[in-house]
Amino acid sequence: QQQVKQSPQSLIVQKGGISIINCAYENTAFDYFPWYQQFPGKGPALLIAIRPDVSEKKEGRFTISFNKSAKQFSLHIMDSQPGDSATYFCAAEDSTSYGKLTFGQGTILTVHP
Amino acid sequence: EPEVTQTPSHQVTQMGQEVILRCVPISNHLYFYWYRQILGQKVEFLVSFYNNEISEKSEIFDDQFSVERPDGSNFTLKIRSTKLEDSAMYFCASSEDRGAKNIQYFGAGTRLSVL
Repeated sequence: QQQVKQSPQSLIVQKGGISIINCAYENTAFDYFPWYQQFPGKGPALLIAIRPDVSEKKEGRFTISFNKSAKQFSLHIMDSQPGDSATYFCAAEDSTSYGKLTFGQGTILTVHP
Repeated sequence: EPEVTQTPSHQVTQMGQEVILRCVPISNHLYFYWYRQILGQKVEFLVSFYNNEISEKSEIFDDQFSVERPDGSNFTLKIRSTKLEDSAMYFCASSEDRGAKNIQYFGAGTRLSVL
C-alpha cells in the first residue's frame, strides 16, 4: 500500500516532442506529490510538486496532471530538449509523517537532438 | 546556492567493518534524512531526524544503523557491521521544515561498496 508505481522505465523522445511519465499510488493518506530530476553523479533535485487540491500545476515546460479519484499523477515535459535527458522520479508523502518520501522506480529519459 | 554536501563520494569497505557516511546539511535547515538507492532500484527512505532525535525510520533501518548530529553542522550515518547487501548509493537530504515547506534538498550521494 505504500508503493508508488512509475512507468515507463525508460523513454526516448525527439527534441521538441512531449515526454510523459506516469505514476500511481494506493495510499490515500499521501497528500504531497513531488517530481525529482536526477543527472548522473548528482542527487535528486526537486523539479515540480503538487498537492491533491488541484488537478494541474504548470511551471514553464513542466506540467503535473493529478487525478485524485484514479490515484494517478503524471509529468508532462513539453518541447523536450536534450538537456532534459535525466532520470525522473515521482514521489509521494503523507504530510503527517516526518518527511518520509516514497519514490517511484524512476524513468530514464533520453531526448535525441 | 546552498547545497547539501556528502563525503566521501565513494567508500569501499570489507564486510563486517564499520563505516560512517558524512553529510553537511544546508545551514538553516532543521530536518535531516538519509535515503539509499541500490543499483538499478528506486530511492528508499531510511530515517528522518529532527531536534537531535529520530523522527521516523523504515524497516531497513535496523540496529546496524545509527544517525548522529555530532556538532552544529554534520549529520552522520553509521553502519556498524556492513553486509554485502548494504552496497548502495546513500543520499543525505535536508529541509527547512516539513509539511508545506518540505522541499528536501539532496546531496550528490556516497557510493558504498562492501566487498
